[in-house]
Amino acid sequence: NAGVTQTPKFQVLKTGQSMTLQCAQDMNHEYMSWYRQDPGMGLRLIHYSVGAGITDQGEVPNGYNVSRSTTEDFPLRLLSAAPSQTSVYFCASSYGQRTYNEQFFGPGTRLTVL
Amino acid sequence: KNEVEQSPQNLTAQEGEFITINCSYSVGISALHWLQQHPGGGIVSLFMLSSGKKKHGRLIATINIQEKHSSLHITASHPRDSAVYICAVRGNTDKLIFGTGTRLQVFP
Repeated sequence: NAGVTQTPKFQVLKTGQSMTLQCAQDMNHEYMSWYRQDPGMGLRLIHYSVGAGITDQGEVPNGYNVSRSTTEDFPLRLLSAAPSQTSVYFCASSYGQRTYNEQFFGPGTRLTVL
Repeated sequence: KNEVEQSPQNLTAQEGEFITINCSYSVGISALHWLQQHPGGGIVSLFMLSSGKKKHGRLIATINIQEKHSSLHITASHPRDSAVYICAVRGNTDKLIFGTGTRLQVFP
């Protein structure tokens, strides 16, 4: 199993550009989530999904969209990039629909917005 | 004040020492996770606790629900244990709340 994969690993955007961060898992996990990690702060939840077709907002959803058309994929879209979105982004998944279970993280995407 | 506080923020140890990292939280929880973030950035899950104590190799995690406190212990520490250790709690929703992490460096 590849586990949780994320692409790209690094990305540089200009203010106002849009892009999609890809996340995929091959463990048939129902729960998937996106976090951002900023210096001096804990991981913060952007959006999450408890199954295909179901998404919900986390702590810091503004400026981001998600969709979950399949169990495997959970892309994160930046609509109009801003310097405040410079961060490291992690996708995670877990078995079942709740966060009781072991969390599996992707390797992260380091995004810089100029 | 953060809902999840970790202490210390930074910790330096000599190889072989016993390490303790603390996590205190202010919300009611249904589960607590300990995670390890490697120097390269990858994050792996170490433990999920809802009560009592768990042990895996040289790692031991305990939780006291009444005191809203959890500890992660590392016995016979090794340089390869150098990482950031992160505590995360699950409250009454599906969302995890993360601490800011404890950076551990173990020197030979």
